[in-house]
Amino acid sequence: DAGITQSPRYKITETGRQVTLMCHQTWSHSYMFWYRQDLGHGLRLIYYSAAADITDKGEVPDGYVVSRSKTENFPLTLESATRSQTSVYFCASSEGQFNTEAFFGQGTRLTVV
Amino acid sequence: AQSVTQLDSHVSVSEGTPVLLRCNYSSSYSPSLFWYVQHPNKGLQLLLKYTSAATLVKGINGFEAEFKKSETSFHLTKPSAHMSDAAEYFCVVRSYGGSQGNLIFGKGTKLSVKP
Repeated sequence: DAGITQSPRYKITETGRQVTLMCHQTWSHSYMFWYRQDLGHGLRLIYYSAAADITDKGEVPDGYVVSRSKTENFPLTLESATRSQTSVYFCASSEGQFNTEAFFGQGTRLTVV
Repeated sequence: AQSVTQLDSHVSVSEGTPVLLRCNYSSSYSPSLFWYVQHPNKGLQLLLKYTSAATLVKGINGFEAEFKKSETSFHLTKPSAHMSDAAEYFCVVRSYGGSQGNLIFGKGTKLSVKP
């Protein structure tokens, strides 16, 4: 199916564990983004990517790692999960940098216990 | 520098009455502006977008927004609220010269609709 999909939808992990959230888009969009959404903070950008092998930090990158070896995939890894990383994570993609909308995945609800 | 300010964190209306969600922006260049809606436990869905064409933009579900350059505003309106409109709404600006992929979000406005 065309679109942007995130997996898993729900994840519970323990403090200190590594966890990877997956994001896949079928449009070959250049730009991809990872956001986290927390009550009182709105959406905050973690990392973004302008193209394969090009990534850059957003507002809250600490504790996260991204890679983009293929245009369609943009996984987000929490190297050593902390309780403060409990959040809802959204992936998004857009065709260009200007004047184009972003399309969002359904989100991954991550709980770190 | 770009920024977006959603003037109300929470708006409450009665079903059948008009909706007004306010958004002001700041941008050094001609911006593109978007409104997204997020229903509970769902992802963000594009409602409408302005990209330097007509200043009055019509979106899905009866929503529309007017781009006013002189007021740097992009307010979202709907003539008659429906219960299904209860959600959180985000105003987004995108233009040249910014960072972070140039996608700047407002803090969101939660819309409640009373029967």
